[in-house]
Amino acid sequence: EAQVTQNPRYLITVTGKKLTVTCSQNMNHEYMSWYRQDPGLGLRQIYYSMNVEVTDKGDVPEGYKVSRKEKRNFPLILESPSPNQTSLYFCASSLAGQGNEQFFGPGTRLTVL
Amino acid sequence: LAKTTQPISMDSYEGQEVNITCSHNNIATNDYITWYQQFPSQGPRFIIQGYKTKVTNEVASLFIPADRKSSTLSLPRVSLSDTAVYYCLVGTGGSYIPTFGRGTSLIVHP
Repeated sequence: EAQVTQNPRYLITVTGKKLTVTCSQNMNHEYMSWYRQDPGLGLRQIYYSMNVEVTDKGDVPEGYKVSRKEKRNFPLILESPSPNQTSLYFCASSLAGQGNEQFFGPGTRLTVL
Repeated sequence: LAKTTQPISMDSYEGQEVNITCSHNNIATNDYITWYQQFPSQGPRFIIQGYKTKVTNEVASLFIPADRKSSTLSLPRVSLSDTAVYYCLVGTGGSYIPTFGRGTSLIVHP
């Protein structure tokens, strides 16, 4: 089944404790991205990747890191999480090129205390 | 990047047709218009995409006038399960940073 998976689905952590949210897709998509969703603010893109070893900042990259060492995986790293990073996070993938349908993961609800 | 403007919310009743209009005055020549649907605590799901005129699939229709400065998503005979947030996106070629915005919250009443 074609899908985007994220882990963990739920995470409660404390300020400053490094964490990684994994994202994996099995559709051989070149393009992957991370979004955060907050009430009243819609979906905002954090980082995106056009292919292996090619990443770039989205609208709200501060406090986040990503890597794209393999085509299927695109982990989101929070080196020193803070409470303002409490949010619902989505990973997405698509074929290269604008306008292609993005496939979203189930989401990761992160709480930073 | 082309900015989009949609109504914040809409209400409808089961069985009615719902039309959600999105304004994108600065749309570029090579931009496509894409609509997504999102249920609470789920990732958005692609509904329909178009470039000009009309596109129809099993879920919805998308109407795009000749000037392409707006588009209308049409949902025929909505049901309670169509209650969701609907996002209009306009993307550019090359570096693709879609702007989802706040979307339109559609509530379908019995």
